[in-house]
Amino acid sequence: QKEVEQNSGPLSVPEGAIASLNCTYSDRGSQSFFWYRQYSGKSPELIMSIYSNGDKEDGRFTAQLNKASQYVSLLIRDSQPSDSATYLCAAQRGGGNKLTFGTGTQLKVEL
Amino acid sequence: NAGVTQTPKFQVLKTGQSMTLQCAQDMNHNSMYWYRQDPGMGLRLIYYSASEGTTDKGEVPNGYNVSRLNKREFSLRLESAAPSQTSVYFCAGGRETGYYGYTFGSGTRLTVV
Repeated sequence: QKEVEQNSGPLSVPEGAIASLNCTYSDRGSQSFFWYRQYSGKSPELIMSIYSNGDKEDGRFTAQLNKASQYVSLLIRDSQPSDSATYLCAAQRGGGNKLTFGTGTQLKVEL
Repeated sequence: NAGVTQTPKFQVLKTGQSMTLQCAQDMNHNSMYWYRQDPGMGLRLIYYSASEGTTDKGEVPNGYNVSRLNKREFSLRLESAAPSQTSVYFCAGGRETGYYGYTFGSGTRLTVV
């Protein structure tokens, strides 16, 4: 079992819809979680971080964390074609420690 | 503000050749990391350095060596390249405390033929 699991996709959503990306983790010692966006041929870019149960909103992005279920999600509202990318979920045991990444979910936003 | 800079961006090696991938950061991070990314495998940690003068193995260290030259620079060396090392390599910097994630360099696309 991988420590951080994501559905590889592709997840296709129409423009303007809500995209929902999911991630589960196996290490109960994980304390903080990150979502990275990676465009094809580019490096990962941090878009959200969360370490408390509940929701965290930043613009069109909402990260959700449920530590009891070991589940992290990223919602993208009003999806745009420019959101088409691979989204990587990462978990961290504690501040300053290594990140463990999932394999990523490819998102396609269609016109 | 360059962040994390990697060189070269592209490289083709013949099997058995050696090379060093360079990484430098100007973000005053203590921690630095080398990852490789392969299709369907995600980002896998090769080596990391929690602070200047220390290095540790990650998930896939075989065939690689690293040097933390100073706080800014962390290099990755392939002593005898193999086709299995064809990959995209990313260097990253991170803070030693807090929950800030990493900043990645732009990557090196390496092909071993």
